[in-house]
Amino acid sequence: AQKITQTQPGMFVQEKEAVTLDCTYDTSDQSYGLFWYKQPSSGEMIFLIYQGSYDEQNATEGRYSLNFQKARKSANLVISASQLGDSAMYFCAMRELGQGAQKLVFGQGTRLTINP
Amino acid sequence: EAGVAQSPRYKIIEKRQSVAFWCNPISGHATLYWYQQILGQGPKLLIQFQNNGVVDDSQLPKDRFSAERLKGVDSTLKIQPAKLEDSAVYLCASSFSRNNEKLFFGSGTQLSVL
Repeated sequence: AQKITQTQPGMFVQEKEAVTLDCTYDTSDQSYGLFWYKQPSSGEMIFLIYQGSYDEQNATEGRYSLNFQKARKSANLVISASQLGDSAMYFCAMRELGQGAQKLVFGQGTRLTINP
Repeated sequence: EAGVAQSPRYKIIEKRQSVAFWCNPISGHATLYWYQQILGQGPKLLIQFQNNGVVDDSQLPKDRFSAERLKGVDSTLKIQPAKLEDSAVYLCASSFSRNNEKLFFGSGTQLSVL
């Protein structure tokens, strides 16, 4: 069974600093996708970045990058030059891409607070 | 492009009452998902539709929860009768296909069962 672990319940960072949010995963599948979503206080889940298990390069999307270490089964999110608007809950998620329903499973989340 | 629409935004009911949530996915998205997010936890998949067929409902409490997507477009999730532990945010999401990596989420319905 697939499992996602986010060990940081909360993170506090000064504005303009970089921040790394940790995520480890467990799966027996060779083909899977890793996602990060942001959930502000409004409640909507906002897609940030995606990494496929066979992608050789780390994914990047603007200020977001994913530090993918396949052997360690980790997929940490790095936010560069943090902004006040980055304050939100962040969820790591995984989807096995083989046959079947390809369920997207979420971790418990990390609450990020950016201080001015 | 219009996003995933959900209603109502908030709902307060007493235990043993019934409640229904509505979701309209992004136009053209074949796959629709209902997630339950209890306070302080990540979302948990309740049911996944591919067009109007159920792909995965393994975590849906079928004795009280039901969902349908009759015409392969919008969907309704129902709880009957509600329990205190059903208090949560119910998120609807859609994607272009089962293989598409990006899910688009609605703003959710916050349910409080008293």
